[in-house]
Amino acid sequence: DAKTTQPNSMESNEEEPVHLPCNHSTISGTDYIHWYRQLPSQGPEYVIHGLTSNVNNRMASLAIAEDRKSSTLILHRATLRDAAVYYCILRDGASGSARQLTFGSGTQLTVLP
Amino acid sequence: KAGVTQTPRYLIKTRGQQVTLSCSPISGHRSVSWYQQTPGQGLQFLFEYFSETQRNKGNFPGRFSGRQFSNSRSEMNVSTLELGDSALYLCASTRPGRRAGELFFGEGSRLTVL
Repeated sequence: DAKTTQPNSMESNEEEPVHLPCNHSTISGTDYIHWYRQLPSQGPEYVIHGLTSNVNNRMASLAIAEDRKSSTLILHRATLRDAAVYYCILRDGASGSARQLTFGSGTQLTVLP
Repeated sequence: KAGVTQTPRYLIKTRGQQVTLSCSPISGHRSVSWYQQTPGQGLQFLFEYFSETQRNKGNFPGRFSGRQFSNSRSEMNVSTLELGDSALYLCASTRPGRRAGELFFGEGSRLTVL
């Protein structure tokens, strides 16, 4: 199964941009890259997803490398409410199944005031 | 629009007992997946159902089982509970026609095994 790897933790100052990296070197052509975040005592929350092109929404931007072997979640202005664990996973667009069977440990983002 | 609803939110069981957890997806969603979250292992995929059929299964022992009903509601069952089964069990649903669409998660059911 395709896997993703992320740094265990990152820090950012409030109101500064944050770039959260994710490596997925074994990604297949039909895999979509998804990002979720989880606040304490809550279920994960969808952030953004994409296939090949960079994507923007009201929460964040997703930059996908040309070879698709890595991606970066960009929070343009971090706030204290963005402090969470961020997960990068792959979902197979052909079958609809979660190609990656585990979210892994994700990246714990700390936002400093 | 109601989100994904999981019941019960909290429960305590003893070793050897069994437990059934319920998940009601967002109205109109037909795909439901289950995850186990523990501090040591993170979020691990259990199984995925679509139109009452199990489509994918994670690497868990046979004590973990699930099913999906015709109204898309899903249940998971854990038999012969062990201390290590203490975890947050999360359910997620996906919109129809969106094979790789976003997952909508519930708040989870927190199981404590004593």
